[in-house]
Amino acid sequence: DGGITQSPKYLFRKEGQNVTLSCEQNLNHDAMYWYRQDPGQGLRLIYYSQIVNDFQKGDIAEGYSVSREKKESFPLTVTSAQKNPTAFYLCASSIVGGGETQYFGPGTRLLVL
Amino acid sequence: GENVEQHPSTLSVQEGDSAVIKCTYSDSASNYFPWYKQELGKGPQLIIDIRSNVGEKKDQRIAVTLNKTAKHFSLHITETQPEDSAVYFCAATAANAGGTSYGKLTFGQGTILTVHP
Repeated sequence: DGGITQSPKYLFRKEGQNVTLSCEQNLNHDAMYWYRQDPGQGLRLIYYSQIVNDFQKGDIAEGYSVSREKKESFPLTVTSAQKNPTAFYLCASSIVGGGETQYFGPGTRLLVL
Repeated sequence: GENVEQHPSTLSVQEGDSAVIKCTYSDSASNYFPWYKQELGKGPQLIIDIRSNVGEKKDQRIAVTLNKTAKHFSLHITETQPEDSAVYFCAATAANAGGTSYGKLTFGQGTILTVHP
């Protein structure tokens, strides 16, 4: 069954703690993306990667970090530098990184304790 | 960079009526315009998309129109049903344009559509 999986569905972060959100895809897509969604707002791009071992900052990269060691995986770390991390985080992938259709995972909701 | 404005922010219709959501974009280089439907607590799902070489595209009860001159595009849902209730997002990008816009979709703010039985 092909698709994008994200885990966990809910994640709680304590102050000063780094947390990592998982994103895996078995669609053989080259490009992967991380978006942040706040209530009543559209999706804002955090980071994207068009190929393994390469990634670029999006519009709101501060306080986040990523890695792309494998084609299937694009984990996102929310660092303690991100002062307002409570949001719904969405991972997406596409065949190429030039605006082709992006397919989204089910999302991870991050809450701060 | 690209800026996408979406209206209305909320839309309430009766079952069987039509619903129209409109978006405008700022970057004349944009050439790919997808629409996504997002149900509560889930990721967005692509419902239809259009490229700049066509003016209209239909898929059953859903259609999208594009006016490149005016830089706006619209989603039309006919014969609405309660299961159409969701948040709808438009987006735009300059596909394969290279440069900083490469691979970056810019989303509108979303429209909450409610279809009343």
